Amino acid sequence: ETGVTQTPRHLVMGMTNKKSLKCEQHLGHNAMYWYKQSAKKPLELMFVYSLEERVENNSVPSRFSPECPNSSHLFLHLHTLQPEDSALYLCASSQVWGQETQYFGPGTRLLVL
Amino acid sequence: AQSVTQPDIHITVSEGASLELRCNYSYGATPYLFWYVQSPGQGLQLLLKYFSGDTLVQGIKGFEAEFKRSQSSFNLRKPSVHWSDAAEYFCAVGVPTSGTYKYIFGTGTRLKVLA
Repeated sequence: ETGVTQTPRHLVMGMTNKKSLKCEQHLGHNAMYWYKQSAKKPLELMFVYSLEERVENNSVPSRFSPECPNSSHLFLHLHTLQPEDSALYLCASSQVWGQETQYFGPGTRLLVL
Repeated sequence: AQSVTQPDIHITVSEGASLELRCNYSYGATPYLFWYVQSPGQGLQLLLKYFSGDTLVQGIKGFEAEFKRSQSSFNLRKPSVHWSDAAEYFCAVGVPTSGTYKYIFGTGTRLKVLA
């Protein structure tokens, strides 16, 4: 089983839609992350969960809503997105929150029309 | 503010040639240092990391990187590039910030390999 999986791999949605991105890690890690990767920009850390508790929220608009029901699963709920939200959304996990190495999933390519 | 600079947006090398990708960081102390590779349509894969100790770090796929404190650099090298190395490479640093811990990524260097 691949370490970190993400579904769907591709998503097209209108600005009035509601959708969710799913991330699952099979590594027994305690920390999970959501990143946004836009063209020609550095990866932007969006949210961090440690032991299922949100520990970081980097000024992300409320139209992005994370959920971490357990240490293996992380969701990103999307509603009323804007075209500029189109990007690759990457999930990552690490053994503990902090300096440990992060392991990334393949990402969800999101297009907002 | 902490930052990571990858000065080369694109690099093209011939297969079999040597490669060096540059990474400079701005931080008052020695951060944790990472190199990741991203193939098209894929997530990031860790190539190597430096936390402390020997400043020459060996990674997967024949890559190595050297930490130079005096230059605030962590350049990635490979003596002989293979066509399958064509990808985008990201340098990252991990720094403690205001009681939390933060990763900062560079903007990436896209490597093209000529046959």
